[in-house]
Amino acid sequence: DAGVIQSPRHEVTEMGQEVTLRCKPISGHDYLFWYRQTMMRGLELLIYFNNNVPIDDSGMPEDRFSAKMPNASFSTLKIQPSEPRDSAVYFCASRTTGPNTEAFFGQGTRLTVV
Amino acid sequence: GENVEQHPSTLSVQEGDSAVIKCTYSDSASNYFPWYKQELGKGPQLIIDIRSNVGEKKDQRIAVTLNKTAKHFSLHITETQPEDSAVYFCAASPSGAGSYQLTFGKGTKLSVIP
Repeated sequence: DAGVIQSPRHEVTEMGQEVTLRCKPISGHDYLFWYRQTMMRGLELLIYFNNNVPIDDSGMPEDRFSAKMPNASFSTLKIQPSEPRDSAVYFCASRTTGPNTEAFFGQGTRLTVV
Repeated sequence: GENVEQHPSTLSVQEGDSAVIKCTYSDSASNYFPWYKQELGKGPQLIIDIRSNVGEKKDQRIAVTLNKTAKHFSLHITETQPEDSAVYFCAASPSGAGSYQLTFGKGTKLSVIP
């Protein structure tokens, strides 16, 4: 397996534009997580899914953020409209059922909003 | 919710010396404690983990200790090498309904000086 795949690797956009980040989890993993990483706040959990269903979105900062998982092999994180303070590295991770199993991270998407 | 504190934020050691990173957690229900290594431009990768029924675990030059009473756990790297230079994150995961969520520390940037 190629691991968790995220696209794009880098995204530069203007304030006010819509941004969509994409993630393909490892095949067979039924949990998917979206994290945001900044220098100030470290790694923050935004939302996670189990079997394509959102379980906890309490980490989503504002209504401008939304996430979907239409099927077991694809998820998106959308920011509309984007703001400069959204600039961060966004990671997707996946893991299998069973507590305390390893979470595998993608390479991340570095988002810059100017 | 869970809160994980990690110290120090930066650590420089001479090649061959040992490095120790310490974390504390707040939720006594947490029972899984992984450590992740993040190299520049990459996603975090699991290097070792420990569960609450174990006090210490070793894997070659890496060891982790856990003190559940004091709610702290530590990462020990012996005989450090330049390739150990990276950012290290500790994390904690509770049992029960939230057992699929990881709360991360802010990270420690380790520099191994040749």
